[in-house]
Amino acid sequence: DTGVSQDPRHKITKRGQNVTFRCDPISEHNRLYWYRQTLGQGPEFLTYFQNEAQLEKSRLLSDRFSAERPKGSFSTLEIQRTEQGDSAMYLCASSLGGERFEKLFFGSGTQLSVL
Amino acid sequence: AQSVTQLDSHVSVSEGTPVLLRCNYSSSYSPSLFWYVQHPNKGLQLLLKYTSAATLVKGINGFEAEFKKSETSFHLTKPSAHMSDAAEYFCVVSDNFGNEKLTFGTGTRLTIIP
Repeated sequence: DTGVSQDPRHKITKRGQNVTFRCDPISEHNRLYWYRQTLGQGPEFLTYFQNEAQLEKSRLLSDRFSAERPKGSFSTLEIQRTEQGDSAMYLCASSLGGERFEKLFFGSGTQLSVL
Repeated sequence: AQSVTQLDSHVSVSEGTPVLLRCNYSSSYSPSLFWYVQHPNKGLQLLLKYTSAATLVKGINGFEAEFKKSETSFHLTKPSAHMSDAAEYFCVVSDNFGNEKLTFGTGTRLTIIP
């Protein structure tokens, strides 16, 4: 168990640029989640995958956001035309599935700063 | 829609004294409730969860929480604080209505005084 890995740890970008983050879940975990955490707040749900299928999306996930999990393993989260309000910590989590709300394992996150 | 309110943004206790972190929830359905801990530069870690079994839930590192439906509360306690308990703690709710969304509170920062 090597844990959930997220890359990069930090990303600084200029407003209007596109950014992509990667998440590698724990192997054999079929459920994968993306959350966003802003300073002083708790994480907010963005989207959920079961294997390669994206089954839930939050209304927070505007048209500029897209997430994929093409082979049911790693996932990417892309933000197009970034805005300063996108600055946040983007967290990925995975779980083995089976029982609902089985323990989620979180990565350390990608900190995005939009200048 | 479900929500949680963490009543204290910051709690300070002396090492060896009891810890109480307060959480009230709101849910239209029978909820599942969790406490997660976040240490600096580390991923969130599950401390414990309640899913309609025993109302007193024991977690890792000596923490426990009691589900009180009449008070809509799910407070986290520990008899004796340790320096390693210093972290951010999040109370979390899910509405058990078939979706996978967890709703986090705003967090309570726990400081341990030596």
